[in-house]
Amino acid sequence: KNQVEQSPQSLIILEGKNCTLQCNYTVSPFSNLRWYKQDTGRGPVSLTIMTFSENTKSNGRYTATLDADTKQSSLHITASQLSDSASYICVVGSQGNTPLVFGKGTRLSVIA
Amino acid sequence: GAVVSQHPSWVICKSGTSVKIECRSLDFQATTMFWYRQFPKQSLMLMATSNEGSKATYEQGVEKDKFLINHASLTLSTLTVTSAHPEDSSFYICSARVDHFGPLHFGNGTRLTVT
Repeated sequence: KNQVEQSPQSLIILEGKNCTLQCNYTVSPFSNLRWYKQDTGRGPVSLTIMTFSENTKSNGRYTATLDADTKQSSLHITASQLSDSASYICVVGSQGNTPLVFGKGTRLSVIA
Repeated sequence: GAVVSQHPSWVICKSGTSVKIECRSLDFQATTMFWYRQFPKQSLMLMATSNEGSKATYEQGVEKDKFLINHASLTLSTLTVTSAHPEDSSFYICSARVDHFGPLHFGNGTRLTVT
């Protein structure tokens, strides 16, 4: 069964600190992996998209990594800001027209 | 960048009435749009895939007669919640993409409250 598991479920960090969110998946055949940021009450916003051949991609203070062999991805946030408080969702796409598989998200709270 | 506009952003309706939610891609054409439902502190749950000019594909457990989807053009898809009940109260979000490998662009969601 295609699944995406994210950890931790929630995380609280101090402003200015770094953090890493994890995403493990069993989706096969793999096509791409996406990280989204969802502010409360808003639609998700794309942070990164990686295909099989890419193992790292950055977007400002966000850096995503992908290990297609172990089927793991991480999202690293550097020098966190209060505005980083949101849910971060990992989404994995399979080949063809099969639906994307969504993780349940990690709820990040950055406090002063 | 690609923008998806969703309207209304919130709606309150009485039980038994129908509500229509619009999803528009403002600066790109989307042959495929997706509709999701999200309960508090839960992840997005795909309800259906909407293809322009053809019938929507519904996920298992989603009643197609209750959640009517119309994708009449490359820039507009609508979701109508028919005979709404309080348990239909949720956050409904649409998304669209230019092609299979591109990012999903999400609307800002519609919060539906059925009283």
